[in-house]
Amino acid sequence: EVELVESGGGLVQPGGSLRLSCEASGFIFDDVAMHWVRQLPGKRLEWVSGVSWNNHIMRYADSVKGRFTVSRDNAKNSLYLQMNSLRPDDTAVYFCTKSRQLGLSWFDAWGHGTLVSVSS
Amino acid sequence: DIQMTQSPSSLFASVGDRVTISCRASQYITRYLNWYQQRPGEAPNLLIYSISILQSGVPSRFNGTGSGTDFTLTINGLQREDFATYYCQESYSGSWTFGQGTRVEVK
Repeated sequence: EVELVESGGGLVQPGGSLRLSCEASGFIFDDVAMHWVRQLPGKRLEWVSGVSWNNHIMRYADSVKGRFTVSRDNAKNSLYLQMNSLRPDDTAVYFCTKSRQLGLSWFDAWGHGTLVSVSS
Repeated sequence: DIQMTQSPSSLFASVGDRVTISCRASQYITRYLNWYQQRPGEAPNLLIYSISILQSGVPSRFNGTGSGTDFTLTINGLQREDFATYYCQESYSGSWTFGQGTRVEVK
């Protein structure tokens, strides 16, 4: 059974940093692209970042470019999101998802999400 | 950037009804249109990809149609477990933009 389990969320002050992790199981991790998608307080879904199977290609939404860094460790079946210079509008539930490839594909499994709150 | 606009934002329906949700892309996205269902307190779940292909395990009462910029999700014979929020998503541009969601509520 495919399982994605996020961790690392929490309350952080504006300007602070957090590192999210996602542990994957039930599929061949280095066969797929991985992504982070967030759900904002008004329930809107926003794709944040994606990484190719081999860690060679990373993509970011304009809203997080230069502040967030995505990476993966295929030996540990894990995905990460380093979030720096956090702002209140980064407050959201962050989901880990997977797709067959980095582009022209769909998110066929999701984790349960981890809540990030940015507030003073 | 591609904008995805869903209508309506919410609707009220009864068990057994046929429900139709529309999604319009601001530019041509070929076949790269997907639909997700999100029940309260849960993560989104893939229902349909490439306009009309049902994800494994999704009941056949869900049907996706459309082309180019205009797409539709139809639920034939609404069931109790279908009361949820539905999102369309384009995967053509590399920005993976979602629609704002359509909430299906009990009449």
